[in-house]
Amino acid sequence: GESVGLHLPTLSVQEGDNSIINCAYSNSASDYFIWYKQESGKGPQFIIDIRSNMDKRQGQRVTVLLNKTVKHLSLQIAATQPGDSAVYFCAETADNDYKLSFGAGTTVTVRA
Amino acid sequence: GAVVSQHPSRVICKSGTSVKIECRSLDFQATTMFWYRQFPKQSLMLMATSNEGSKATYEQGVEKDKFLINHASLTLSTLTVTSAHPEDSSFYICSARKGVAQETQYFGPGTRLLVL
Repeated sequence: GESVGLHLPTLSVQEGDNSIINCAYSNSASDYFIWYKQESGKGPQFIIDIRSNMDKRQGQRVTVLLNKTVKHLSLQIAATQPGDSAVYFCAETADNDYKLSFGAGTTVTVRA
Repeated sequence: GAVVSQHPSRVICKSGTSVKIECRSLDFQATTMFWYRQFPKQSLMLMATSNEGSKATYEQGVEKDKFLINHASLTLSTLTVTSAHPEDSSFYICSARKGVAQETQYFGPGTRLLVL
């Protein structure tokens, strides 16, 4: 079936370096994508979103890139900090009912 | 802001009992709320969509008689796990959609359920 998935389950990054988290999706009808950050024992926290009519969107220290040709989504975190350590999920939705499909999640660990 | 709360944050219960979890949107009205379940080291799995004033829509494989959902107002949805069993132990998370036109979902802090 169609689902949202992630290339790498874990990512270790040195503090201060940039992080790139990847996500592959297979539903060509997806038109809205969101990145969430989930810290241990907490609910997901909205980071940034992007619609299918865009290929790049920037926030504070974060950038989301969307490549619809290869159905690929990425989240770039600039100058990664210890507080960025968490599990990151991409999610997509394609229907008017706004149901989200979540990827498997990437665990990011920041080394001091 | 868009704050969603859940109560309780943790609950331990005996097998066979029922547990009610509340989800509230604190500073906005949510016409639609969603309930997810998350097992350790796994992703979020949508259980059901809760619409104010109407019956919830359950995802395939989710028993509606076991997971009762009530969306009594624009700021409150409840999930009741009936006759809980150890396999129902999980992290239950709700989310709320802010407004009719916005797709962004804001998540609650989650409720950890342990059934003994």
